[in-house]
Amino acid sequence: SQELEQSPQSLIVQEGKNLTINCTSSKTLYGLYWYKQKYGEGLIFLMMLQKGGEEKSHEKITAKLDEKKQQSSLHITASQPSHAGIYLCGADRYYAGNNRKLIWGLGTSLAVNP
Amino acid sequence: NAGVTQTPKFRVLKTGQSMTLLCAQDMNHEYMYWYRQDPGMGLRLIHYSVGEGTTAKGEVPDGYNVSRLKKQNFLLGLESAAPSQTSVYFCASSYSMVKYEQYFGPGTRLTVT
Repeated sequence: SQELEQSPQSLIVQEGKNLTINCTSSKTLYGLYWYKQKYGEGLIFLMMLQKGGEEKSHEKITAKLDEKKQQSSLHITASQPSHAGIYLCGADRYYAGNNRKLIWGLGTSLAVNP
Repeated sequence: NAGVTQTPKFRVLKTGQSMTLLCAQDMNHEYMYWYRQDPGMGLRLIHYSVGEGTTAKGEVPDGYNVSRLKKQNFLLGLESAAPSQTSVYFCASSYSMVKYEQYFGPGTRLTVT
């Protein structure tokens, strides 16, 4: 099973509607990253959250980190067709020997109908 | 400032052929990564480098080799391509491994027939 679960897997909304995407970790979250991927393109960094309760915004996109729930949510207000794409969350994982890697969710595909 | 660039963008190989994917970054980042992205599997780390002249294995290193002869370049090689290596390959770089975002290239779509 995935260490990072994203929900929903896909979402279709009408332009102007609000929406929320969740990223839930099976382990303690130390650093959480949100990226957007347009179809057929690379990933674009949106935001990084490091502390429980932290909230950041980028234009009409807001992300929050809930340390207790081991979850981050990404909220888009008044969605536009330009918001369409795949949203991925990534999280820092630390292993023995001070090793660290970034693990990824499978992504949430968002379509916004005009 | 081009960021992270990858060449080629597309490639079709026959089983057993070899090829090298080139990644270049102009941000003076120490850390560079190669990922593959497959439906239902997400992004998986193939190899990474913590600096010029160093490389390390990621989650799925088998069948791939890498080299980091110059700080700005990270090469991914397939010595004998297999259909299981059909994927989209992304290169990324970052200032540090801890608590710094990774910057991604546009990807290389590879098909092995």
